[in-house]
Amino acid sequence: EVQLVQSGAEVKKPGESLRISCKGSGYNFANYWILWVRQMPGKGLEWMGRISPSDSYTIYSPSFQGHVKMTVDKSVTTAYLEWSSLQASDSAMYFCARARGTGRFDPWGLGALVTVSS
Amino acid sequence: QSALAQPASVSGSPGQSISISCTGTGGDIGRYNYISWYQQHPGKAPKLIIFDVDNRPSGVSTRFSGSKSGNTASLTISGLQAEDEADYYCSSFTSFDTDVFGTGTQVTVL
Repeated sequence: EVQLVQSGAEVKKPGESLRISCKGSGYNFANYWILWVRQMPGKGLEWMGRISPSDSYTIYSPSFQGHVKMTVDKSVTTAYLEWSSLQASDSAMYFCARARGTGRFDPWGLGALVTVSS
Repeated sequence: QSALAQPASVSGSPGQSISISCTGTGGDIGRYNYISWYQQHPGKAPKLIIFDVDNRPSGVSTRFSGSKSGNTASLTISGLQAEDEADYYCSSFTSFDTDVFGTGTQVTVL
């Protein structure tokens, strides 16, 4: 079974760093991109960017470029989303999904809730 | 990259058919057939229900169908059922080598 397992909920203070993870299994991890999506409370889906596990090539949405970093460790079939300095506005649910290079996001992880509050 | 435009809400009675539109530009929907639709129930992860305009993944009900004309894509749900009550999002590949989601549509079964 193809699945993506995400790390658990996090509660952080503004200015702290954070790394959340997304572990793929049941398929050739290197052959598909990993997509990251933000969903703020009560809002819609936002495309953050995607990373290729084969060579770590990354494409970011201009809205997120410079504020988050996507990395991958294909030896443990895991992708990561990192913040060096969190802001309250980063509070959201973050989903990862397996992606073909041209859309088609399937399957999705269950999501990781990030709460940033002083 | 602006979000694709979807109606905020659509409703219908059980057994009826409803359609959700998704309007983009010549740089996304109008240019590519890489259009997908996702269903999201409250508190759950999104689920792929249509890809490449009109293709259903294995296991997705045949009551879901997709189409495209010009810069607008559409999702049709026929034989509406209570379990179809959810949020629906379209997405399209873009000329910037990114993807963009729609604003989302809440479907209510009356």
